[in-house]
Formats: sequence, C-alpha cells, structure tokens
Amino acid sequence: EVQLVESGGGLVQPGRSLRLSCAASGFTFDDYAMHWVRQAPGKGLEWVSGISWNSGSIGYADSVKGRFTISRDNAKNSLYLQMNSLRAEDTALYYCAKDTALIVGATKGCFDYWGQGTLVTVSS
Amino acid sequence: QSVLTQPPSASGTPGQRVTISCSGSSSNIGSNYVYWYQQLPGTAPKLLIYRNNQRPSGVPDRFSGSKSGTSASLAISGLRSEDEADYYCAAWDDSLSGYWVFGGGTKLTVL
Repeated sequence: EVQLVESGGGLVQPGRSLRLSCAASGFTFDDYAMHWVRQAPGKGLEWVSGISWNSGSIGYADSVKGRFTISRDNAKNSLYLQMNSLRAEDTALYYCAKDTALIVGATKGCFDYWGQGTLVTVSS
Repeated sequence: QSVLTQPPSASGTPGQRVTISCSGSSSNIGSNYVYWYQQLPGTAPKLLIYRNNQRPSGVPDRFSGSKSGTSASLAISGLRSEDEADYYCAAWDDSLSGYWVFGGGTKLTVL
C-alpha cells in the first residue's frame, strides 16, 4: 500500500525558514517523480514544485521560485522542501504527491497518490 | 486566479446527471492530458480521471471525463450523496519551463 507521510509543518514568522519532509513507502521510490502541492485555507490546489526520479529535472511555481528548494534522498525514500523567506501567503496545507512517471511533466504523468498534508502557518 | 477555469459550484439531486466544465488554453488542455481529482471534506485529493477519460481501478463508471479542444468536462451520473465534494481539473502547461496548473475547484452539492 502506497503511503506518503508529511512532517515539519508548524507556525513560523514571516521571513523565517522551514523544512518539510515526506516519508514514502509501499512503492519503489526512485522509480517516480515526486511533487509538493499546497492548499491555502478554504482555497484550491496549487502545484509548488516537482522533482524527477534522479533529481536531474526540477520545476517550481513562479510564486516560490528562488525561495523554495525541493530535494529527495532515494536511499531514505524521502522527499523534502526547504522553504526560505516565508510569507503570509505561503500559509497552506502542503501535500506530498507521487507522480506516475519518472520525470516532471512527462506526457502521461500525473499525481496518483497524495499524503494527508502538513500545515504551514506563516504569521507574526 | 487559476489558470484553468471551473464553475465554483454545481448541484444536483440523487440520481441526476451533473457535469463540471474546465476551460484552459492551447498551452495546457489544448496540448496535454486532463486529470480530475475529487476531494472529500477534510481529506486529501484522490485521482478520479486520468488521461482525459480513463478511470483508475476502484472509481465507479458513474464518473466519466471528456476533452475537446481547450476544454474538458467531468460527468457524474446517478448522483449519490457521497459524491458531495470538491472537484479539481489539472493539466501540464507547456509555457515557460512548464508547470502543473489546476482549476479553482467546483464544490458539488447533492440536494
């Protein structure tokens, strides 16, 4: 059974940093690209970032480019999101999501499994 | 403002058929597959339709998807109370360096 468990969320002041983690199990982690997708309270879904199976291809939403860094450790079956210079508008539930393909943006790729999310609140 | 446009709400009575539209552009829906996600209250999104009209195993055939040009739609027939949820369309967008885009979501109410 595929399981994705996010952690690392919490309350943080504007301008500070936070690192999210996603522990994956139930599938061969290094066979798939992985993503972070967020959902602000009462709002819709927003893709944040994606990383290919071997970290060779990475993409970011414009809203986080230059501030967030995605990474993965295939030996630990883990996905990470380093979030710097946090803003109030980054407040959201952050989901880890598995892709069906090796690379981000593959023709037949999509998010087929999602974790339950970890809440990030940016406030003074 | 979302790149893909969905109606914010839809409704129907049990047994009815409802459709939810998703409008995009040539760089997303017009050139890539469309995906639909169902988000029940308080839960994570679940893949409902992939590659425009394919259903993952376990998804009832009451759910169907279609795509034409730069628009797509999700149809739910034989509406049931447990279908009350938020529905999101998604597609890869080829503009700039490429990125995933979502619709703003449609809240389906079963009256």
